[in-house]
Amino acid sequence: DGGITQSPKYLFRKEGQNVTLSCEQNLNHDAMYWYRQDPGQGLRLIYYSQIVNDFQKGDIAEGYSVSREKKESFPLTVTSAQKNPTAFYLCASSTLAGGETQYFGPGTRLLVL
Amino acid sequence: AQTVTQSQPEMSVQEAETVTLSCTYDTSESDYYLFWYKQPPSRQMILVIRQEAYKQQNATENRFSVNFQKAAKSFSLKISDSQLGDAAMYFCAYRSANYGGATNKLIFGTGTLLAVQP
Repeated sequence: DGGITQSPKYLFRKEGQNVTLSCEQNLNHDAMYWYRQDPGQGLRLIYYSQIVNDFQKGDIAEGYSVSREKKESFPLTVTSAQKNPTAFYLCASSTLAGGETQYFGPGTRLLVL
Repeated sequence: AQTVTQSQPEMSVQEAETVTLSCTYDTSESDYYLFWYKQPPSRQMILVIRQEAYKQQNATENRFSVNFQKAAKSFSLKISDSQLGDAAMYFCAYRSANYGGATNKLIFGTGTLLAVQP
């Protein structure tokens, strides 16, 4: 089945620790996105990528890093510089055509110990 | 910058009845796309319906339809014959029609939590 997978479903981070969230898609989409969701707010864009080996900062990129070594994969690292990482993280993908629908993965819940 | 506003934090509807969720947006662009996404308790974001701004005809998908008023910058979602499975958080979102870059991002409202009463 085509779709987007994210792992793990839940992730716990200790103080000073970097953690990596996985996002994989088999939809052959060129563009991939990471969003953060906080209670009472909509989703906010962290990073996006339109092509392998290229990515751009979104609205709230501080404390996060990404890589895009393969078209299918767009992992997000939450670094120790991110002081308030507790949130729900959603990965999405789409074709590059203007206005094309973004499809979302099931999300990862990140909690700080 | 574009903004999306959902002024109804919570709504409730009886099963089999009709409910309308409101969304307004602000933009200086003339060409764009509007979306309604559903987020059930599983938290997976599911596309409900999509509207192209250049189309005057309102989009429909089975029991879901929109009332798109471009001049008023309004994009409401109507759910007919509400079912228990419709209970979820609903997000309105905007996306520029310009190609590439940060314009591809979705701009979300804060959501409306819909409860369906049996």
